[in-house]
Amino acid sequence: QLQLQESGPGVVKPSETLSLSCTVSGGSISSNSYYWGWIRQPPGKGLEWIGSMFHSGSTYGSTYYNPSLKSRVTVSVDTSKNHFSLNLTSVTAADTAVYYCARVVAGPSPWVDPWGQGTLVIVSS
Amino acid sequence: SSELTQDPAVSVALGQTVRITCQGDSLRSYYANWYKQKPGQAPVLVIHGKNNRPAGISDRFSGSSSGDTASLTITGAQAEDEADYYCNSRDSSGNHLLFGGGTKLTVL
Repeated sequence: QLQLQESGPGVVKPSETLSLSCTVSGGSISSNSYYWGWIRQPPGKGLEWIGSMFHSGSTYGSTYYNPSLKSRVTVSVDTSKNHFSLNLTSVTAADTAVYYCARVVAGPSPWVDPWGQGTLVIVSS
Repeated sequence: SSELTQDPAVSVALGQTVRITCQGDSLRSYYANWYKQKPGQAPVLVIHGKNNRPAGISDRFSGSSSGDTASLTITGAQAEDEADYYCNSRDSSGNHLLFGGGTKLTVL
């Protein structure tokens, strides 16, 4: 059974870079037909897609980012460690959220399954 | 527009049927997927595509679509169905993913 686990600092200072990692177990990150992505949820609010990377097939290396975050976001994949990462630069308090890593199943209407358990990141000095 | 709109809150009596809707222009071209989220937990996929349930999801959950609106129907709602429900699909450009704002379901 595929499992994902986020890791990274729980507190980040304003203007700095938020860096998170997601370790994938029970399956290969190089599998076809999947994106690997990040979704966040500010406290008490809804879900927001951050971005995804497609790591196989004809669209190898393709990345897709939320237009509202695109200038600050990078998603990358490390197949040697079977994990993928999120970098979000120049953070502010508005970036405080639970960050989920997830597998996105590619197709006409991509769906997210499974999700990591989530990690709370607080932006504060 | 590139948005998916959900009613913020819906209630249902125990054992009754409830429909949770998700509206957006992109749903004329793409199916919605549905997720259930309980407090303090990660979302769980309950319906994907036209009307597909992942393994382990109760057959009380079903999905449908008409025009620009997708629906998640829970037949015979149980106390454990009380949760937040989110839809997701592509945006109108087809290049990005969207989530609806979520619907809080209360089972009375």
